[in-house]
Amino acid sequence: DAKTTQPPSMDCAEGRAANLPCNHSTISGNEYVYWYRQIHSQGPQYIIHGLKNNETNEMASLIITEDRKSSTLILPHATLRDTAVYYCIVRVRETSGSRLTFGEGTQLTVNP
Amino acid sequence: DAGVIQSPRHEVTEMGQEVTLRCKPISGHDYLFWYRQTMMRGLELLIYFNNNVPIDDSGMPEDRFSAKMPNASFSTLKIQPSEPRDSAVYFCASSFWSSGNTIYFGEGSWLTVV
Repeated sequence: DAKTTQPPSMDCAEGRAANLPCNHSTISGNEYVYWYRQIHSQGPQYIIHGLKNNETNEMASLIITEDRKSSTLILPHATLRDTAVYYCIVRVRETSGSRLTFGEGTQLTVNP
Repeated sequence: DAGVIQSPRHEVTEMGQEVTLRCKPISGHDYLFWYRQTMMRGLELLIYFNNNVPIDDSGMPEDRFSAKMPNASFSTLKIQPSEPRDSAVYFCASSFWSSGNTIYFGEGSWLTVV
């Protein structure tokens, strides 16, 4: 699996957009970018994934650069409840996630 | 949708005692995963099952750990004998074969071995 690099922490003001970057310069052509988050004391939660096109769902948007070497998760209007550790994972989209490996992630703190 | 259900949520036990953690996956899901999370090592995959059959247990730390899945709606992770270094949060997760890497996690079982 391609290695990912994320900043260890970020801050964001409530109501503003939170933009979380992820570098994956060694990504292969068949590897997807997945984002999960973990709110304190809870299990990780799937957010979004994409291959090369930008994706949007009810939780967030995922912007993948044209060369696919980096991506940005966007929470358009961050709330206090979005404070969590966000994990960027690059993985081949198998029929199911066998060895989904979580790195250090980014601790996002949304401030009032 | 009840989600992945784990029990107990919290357990404190003495070193040497047997610990059994339980998991009920989401109905219809055919993959089940056991993860462990500690401050030092982060989230680690211990073992996963497909259609109740263990597929990869290479993450199981040692023989003191065992996992079973007797049917599609129930799995256990057992530690015998437990040691203080086993203190961690243990997560169970499940997914459906076509969902790719979209895995649904339970709330975790917080284990403290004293």
